[in-house]
Amino acid sequence: GAVVSQHPSWVICKSGTSVKIECRSLDFQATTMFWYRQFPKQSLMLMATSNEGSKATYEQGVEKDKFLINHASLTLSTLTVTSAHPEDSSFYICSARQTAGANVLTFGAGSRLTVL
Amino acid sequence: LAKTTQPISMDSYEGQEVNITCSHNNIATNDYITWYQQFPSQGPRFIIQGYKTKVTNEVASLFIPADRKSSTLSLPRVSLSDTAVYYCLRRGNTPLVFGKGTRLSVIA
Repeated sequence: GAVVSQHPSWVICKSGTSVKIECRSLDFQATTMFWYRQFPKQSLMLMATSNEGSKATYEQGVEKDKFLINHASLTLSTLTVTSAHPEDSSFYICSARQTAGANVLTFGAGSRLTVL
Repeated sequence: LAKTTQPISMDSYEGQEVNITCSHNNIATNDYITWYQQFPSQGPRFIIQGYKTKVTNEVASLFIPADRKSSTLSLPRVSLSDTAVYYCLRRGNTPLVFGKGTRLSVIA
């Protein structure tokens, strides 16, 4: 079945530094990937839609200059949290849609970011 | 936004059948109903998807009545490992929007 891989699975960084999270579709091509954020005991919140070869579409309230998204190939999207602060600490999850077959959205395992 | 409504939490004993109902009164003609399962600190995992009537796979069954305004996820003979949050979503042409989900606790 379709597999989406995220790296790193967890990261700790100092306040003010930038962190990059990678999302790869391992056995299928994904023209569109989605980035979600999840705080403890809460649901997933859609941050942005990542489109291969074009600019990402951000949801209302998500700062595009802080959360940089690059989708340079059909199998890779990256999310860079710039100048991270403790309030950016969260669980970041990416997903990709396999357009063939059942058109199901497959999620990565998530990346836990802790900003000190 | 594609909203759905489901119970916040449910408890069940091991070996019982669990039915989680989801309301989606304003479902669009091209929307499918999709259910995901999420364990702590993991990404959501696809369980089942359907458009109408009944769909069954090796994990669960999904019942969708003719008016499609609700759906029921049925988990047969749950075990402790089924303790998780279950999300009901409308899948159309827009990105998946997650509600609060149902936190299922299976008790021995």
